[in-house]
Amino acid sequence: DAGITQSPRHKVTETGTPVTLRCHQTENHRYMYWYRQDPGHGLRLIHYSYGVKDTDKGEVSDGYSVSRSKTEDFLLTLESATSSQTSVYFCAISDLAGGETQYFGPGTRLLVL
Amino acid sequence: RKEVEQDPGPFNVPEGATVAFNCTYSNSASQSFFWYRQDCRKEPKLLMSVYSSGNEDGRFTAQLNRASQYISLLIRDSKLSDSATYLCVVKEDTGRRALTFGSGTRLQVQP
Repeated sequence: DAGITQSPRHKVTETGTPVTLRCHQTENHRYMYWYRQDPGHGLRLIHYSYGVKDTDKGEVSDGYSVSRSKTEDFLLTLESATSSQTSVYFCAISDLAGGETQYFGPGTRLLVL
Repeated sequence: RKEVEQDPGPFNVPEGATVAFNCTYSNSASQSFFWYRQDCRKEPKLLMSVYSSGNEDGRFTAQLNRASQYISLLIRDSKLSDSATYLCVVKEDTGRRALTFGSGTRLQVQP
């Protein structure tokens, strides 16, 4: 299995609070991604990174920001959590230019009350 | 309209059965195609890539029909361990590196 960890694995928070999720990899892969998974929607891309300090928005980026100051870490921040951001968040990495094979972390279950 | 559409199932089949899943995609510019498997409360994992000529990996066969924008996965001799959700995934030929996922088809293989 690819060396990807996510922390925390579970979190309960209140509406309006900021939340930061961390993805850490030991594979030295260039590309990193944050997805959310909700019933009936499949996985949807939030943000992705193609290198240190290089990030871009995905299809559902509103209300989220990211940072990548080191190759191994990709942080996802919910600036002011809302109940609609209750979801399972997956980080993924890849090392091919086309991103074909993506390896996923174990996921973070977030509940916003 | 969703970019990648799958029948959500569930497909309930007995052990040893052959089962087929279908998937359609809307963007004709899609370049790469995959099937991922996701076990309950786990992360998705790559099952196999899908090539234009069709490809096989043991009991699993994947087919692509670009003209109809249609992808299929055939599982022969189903095992209990095949029970999972199967995600159809496409990648477009754009600068963005990410994948587009279908919502998944759930398979339950019964003894």
